[in-house]
Amino acid sequence: YELTQSPSVAVSPGQTARITCTGDILSNQYAFWYQQKSGQAPVAVIYKGSERPSGIPERFSGSTSGTTVTLTITGVQAEDEADYYCRSADHSGIWVFGGGTKLTVL
Amino acid sequence: EVQLVESGGGLVKPGGSLRLSCTVSGFSFPNAWMTWVRQAPGKGLEWVGLIKSRTDGKTTDIATPVKGRFIISRDDSNNTMYLDMESLRTEDTAVYYCATGQHWGQGTLVTVSS
Repeated sequence: YELTQSPSVAVSPGQTARITCTGDILSNQYAFWYQQKSGQAPVAVIYKGSERPSGIPERFSGSTSGTTVTLTITGVQAEDEADYYCRSADHSGIWVFGGGTKLTVL
Repeated sequence: EVQLVESGGGLVKPGGSLRLSCTVSGFSFPNAWMTWVRQAPGKGLEWVGLIKSRTDGKTTDIATPVKGRFIISRDDSNNTMYLDMESLRTEDTAVYYCATGQHWGQGTLVTVSS
């Protein structure tokens, strides 16, 4: 299985950022989204496709359409600048990651 | 509060061995499928392997690049998962994370260098 993400996205503060991830596995398996700031461990911002973990701001949301999942950040803030990775798993629990998208806040 | 804490990283020579540990709290470890992920310097996230729960036979699956060199095990009585690494190569240099679902540890750095 493979997951494909665009390498980079750039938006101005207050705008909406959309980060997409495409792969056949996403048609029947959940997606997770992780935010990784420089020098830090990944942190889940979306799990099971659209659920937001405790403590994650409401501006983060996830959606699915066919084999594409989208992480949307509404009203981007400077602190959102980070690498974002999508992840899914097959039926046996093997994880597969997208290559990551670098979000730049202009 | 869910916590995962990795330990055991360090500098090792090519061909050497190392054991990483991941100790967890805040959830039912014996019922959890646990995963190791690594990240080489400047690179993306790479799945290393998983170990299933006791009820699922504690079976493991290991990524192709490390199969035959890395072994995953768990001690449910101590809420700890292990990654035993041998025949280490320079390309195994990475931060190693343990994770389950949405929860990750802070990582431990393994450097393979002469």
